[in-house]
Amino acid sequence: DGGITQSPKYLFRKEGQNVTLSCEQNLNHDAMYWYRQDPGQGLRLIYYSQIVNDFQKGDIAEGYSVSREKKESFPLTVTSAQKNPTAFYLCASSVQTASNQPQHFGDGTRLSIL
Amino acid sequence: DQQVKQNSPSLSVQEGRISILNCDYTNSMFDYFLWYKKYPAEGPTFLISISSIKDKNEDGRFTVFLNKSAKHLSLHIVPSQPGDSAVYFCAAREYGNKLVFGAGTILRVKS
Repeated sequence: DGGITQSPKYLFRKEGQNVTLSCEQNLNHDAMYWYRQDPGQGLRLIYYSQIVNDFQKGDIAEGYSVSREKKESFPLTVTSAQKNPTAFYLCASSVQTASNQPQHFGDGTRLSIL
Repeated sequence: DQQVKQNSPSLSVQEGRISILNCDYTNSMFDYFLWYKKYPAEGPTFLISISSIKDKNEDGRFTVFLNKSAKHLSLHIVPSQPGDSAVYFCAAREYGNKLVFGAGTILRVKS
């Protein structure tokens, strides 16, 4: 079955610790995205990547880093510089950036601070 | 500054009736609009979309209407079913495929 897999489903971070959220897709999509959702708010774009070895900052990139070494994978690292990391993180992918094809989402990772 | 607004945090509808979810936007450069449905602890699921060159798109029980002059779109669900109870997000596309999301509307369909 084609889809987007995010792991882990729940993650806890200690103060001063970096954590990495995994996102893998087998849809052969070129573009991948990371969003953050906070209670009562819409999804906000953290980073996106249109092609392997290339990525751009979204609206709230501070305190986060990404890599895109493989087409299938787009991991997100929440660094200790992110002062309010508690949120629901969603990864998405799409065929390509300039097309009328929707983004498809994974089931998310909920990150909490210990 | 919210470019996409869903002004109704929640909506309650009787089963079998019509559900109308509304969305307003401010950026006239948006060229494509989407509606996503989300259940708790899951990712959003794509529901229906509309290009800015159209004013209506229909898919089964779901119809999206776009009024460009008013910068307003709406999602109609007819007839509403209990399984439609979820959070509905309106999204608008900027350049490339960057999406701007509204805050969502919780729909409750009562049986």
